Amino acid sequence: EAQVTQNPRYLITVTGKKLTVTCSQNMNHEYMSWYRQDPGLGLRQIYYSMNVEVTDKGDVPEGYKVSRKEKRNFPLILESPSPNQTSLYFCASSKYTRTASETQYFGPGTRLLVL
Amino acid sequence: AQSVTQPDIHITVSEGASLELRCNYSYGATPYLFWYVQSPGQGLQLLLKYFSGDTLVQGIKGFEAEFKRSQSSFNLRKPSVHWSDAAEYFCAVGPYNTDKLIFGTGTRLQVFP
Repeated sequence: EAQVTQNPRYLITVTGKKLTVTCSQNMNHEYMSWYRQDPGLGLRQIYYSMNVEVTDKGDVPEGYKVSRKEKRNFPLILESPSPNQTSLYFCASSKYTRTASETQYFGPGTRLLVL
Repeated sequence: AQSVTQPDIHITVSEGASLELRCNYSYGATPYLFWYVQSPGQGLQLLLKYFSGDTLVQGIKGFEAEFKRSQSSFNLRKPSVHWSDAAEYFCAVGPYNTDKLIFGTGTRLQVFP
């Protein structure tokens, strides 16, 4: 089954404790992206990757890191989480990099609470 | 400034009633237009998309959307809502020849039996 998976689905942590949220897709997609969803703000893009070893900042990259060492995986790293990073996070992928015209496929989301 | 507006934060309808969710965008040229649905506890799923051609687009689950260039709108419609349509709906636009996808703030749909 074609899908985007994220782990963990739920995470409670404390300020400053490094964490990683994994994302994996099995569709051989070139483009992968991370979004955060906050009430009243919709989805905002954090980082994206056009292919292996190619990443770039989205609209709200502060406090986040990413890497793309393999085509299927795109982990999101919070080196020192803060309470304002409490949010619902989505990973997404699409076949090609010109994403304005591409359908994006979303993972189920990771709900993060930073105390 | 480029923007996507969903003016209705929350809509409540009775099962069987018709539905229209509004979406307006502000861009220099006609962008690519999408509607996504997020069911409770789920990720987003594409309902339909518009690139060019016929301005009335059919999607999954009985939804359709109409692109109106003069109004910069891409409203989502369904003739008869089912209880399972309760979800949050996001309009998104992709400016032509870019890598960006800009989401609206979403409309939460509640369906009463």
